Amino acid sequence: QVQLVQSGAEVKKPGASVKVSCKASGYTFTSYEIIWVRQATGQGLEWLGWMSPNNGNTVYAQKFQGRVTLTWDASISTAYMHLNSLESEDTAVFYCARNGAGLHYWGQGTLVTVSS
Amino acid sequence: QSALTQPASVSGSPGQSITISCTGTSSDVGGYNFVSWYQQHPGKAPKVMIYDVNYRPSGVSNRFSGSKSGNTASLTISGLQTEDEADYYCCSYAGSSSLVFGGGTKLTVL
Repeated sequence: QVQLVQSGAEVKKPGASVKVSCKASGYTFTSYEIIWVRQATGQGLEWLGWMSPNNGNTVYAQKFQGRVTLTWDASISTAYMHLNSLESEDTAVFYCARNGAGLHYWGQGTLVTVSS
Repeated sequence: QSALTQPASVSGSPGQSITISCTGTSSDVGGYNFVSWYQQHPGKAPKVMIYDVNYRPSGVSNRFSGSKSGNTASLTISGLQTEDEADYYCCSYAGSSSLVFGGGTKLTVL
């Protein structure tokens, strides 16, 4: 069965960076795009970006351009989201999701807390 | 990219039907048949309920249906059940490999 398993919670100081991983299993990793979404506490879903392991393309939301980088290692079926210059407003749960028939499969979420 | 507009809250009684709207522009909702809807219970990851405007994934109850007219998409839930109480988000493709979400709607089953 398809699963996306994300790395554990992180606590970071303002100005630092964070890297969240998303390990895929149960399907061919390069056959589907991975989308990254964040959700601040009590807030809605916000799209960060989109990566296509098949053709190597990445697209970032304008709001996060220059601060977020999406990468992957196809040999271990793992996607990564790197966010730098963290601010307290970046405290949120970050999700990866597989595209295909909507965002059909989601990771469990990774809480990133930014606090001094 | 501005968020799609959803009502902050809707409510209904068990057995009733409700509709949640999702208004965008001709650059997103109105321009593509790639609108999806997600249900999210507290502390859980979102779950896709509708994709490509009106397709229901396997395992999702046929009480959930989707439609679109112009720049507004809608999610209708018929025969409301207590377990339907959750937050609902719409999402649309917005061109150039970008996505945009709605602000979310809290459904209360009275």
